[in-house]
Amino acid sequence: DAKTTQPPSMDCAEGRAANLPCNHSTISGNEYVYWYRQIHSQGPQYIIHGLKNNETNEMASLIITEDRKSSTLILPHATLRDTAVYYCIVRSYGQNFVFGPGTRLSVLP
Amino acid sequence: DTEVTQTPKHLVMGMTNKKSLKCEQHMGHRAMYWYKQKAKKPPELMFVYSYEKLSINESVPSRFSPECPNSSLLNLHLHALQPEDSALYLCASSQVSAETGELFFGEGSRLTVL
Repeated sequence: DAKTTQPPSMDCAEGRAANLPCNHSTISGNEYVYWYRQIHSQGPQYIIHGLKNNETNEMASLIITEDRKSSTLILPHATLRDTAVYYCIVRSYGQNFVFGPGTRLSVLP
Repeated sequence: DTEVTQTPKHLVMGMTNKKSLKCEQHMGHRAMYWYKQKAKKPPELMFVYSYEKLSINESVPSRFSPECPNSSLLNLHLHALQPEDSALYLCASSQVSAETGELFFGEGSRLTVL
């Protein structure tokens, strides 16, 4: 079973920041938070991951709360091409990736 | 090369046919995966190969038969499938030993069983 809870859908205006929340209240100390996205009819694409600290790369930023029970993926300037299903996954080393239902993000013009 | 290549992209087969899906990666990854994805559902893990050996079979029916002939190739042999097996089949690869071990996915093979 997926260990995360995400809203089923969200809308975001093009050019604005998209903030996608994820709850993982049962996360354990050695589990990482991963984000993947899946654009329609394509394979999932890795976005970012983190353990405790906030992380940033060329695609997004990941903000993890101090108690690690929730996190937020931030796409700073959403474009129409960011319309996709976003999956938040909690996983420790050696475990398999279990995908939950994810959040369907629609970026609107 | 950071690609996972899957062929064919689309496959239509009858319930009595035998067909195969193929997956290839040249990233030196020693873990390879098959996922199944039904419409509007998340990917579901089917099989995991680690160092060319089957390490996980998620109770998949025997009409699906995986094969890992070498470290770059992964096949999924299909025989006597049912219409409910119609889905997008995704191949992925990852490093085995790296702590993070992020997955790299192919574009998938869309299977229709008539």
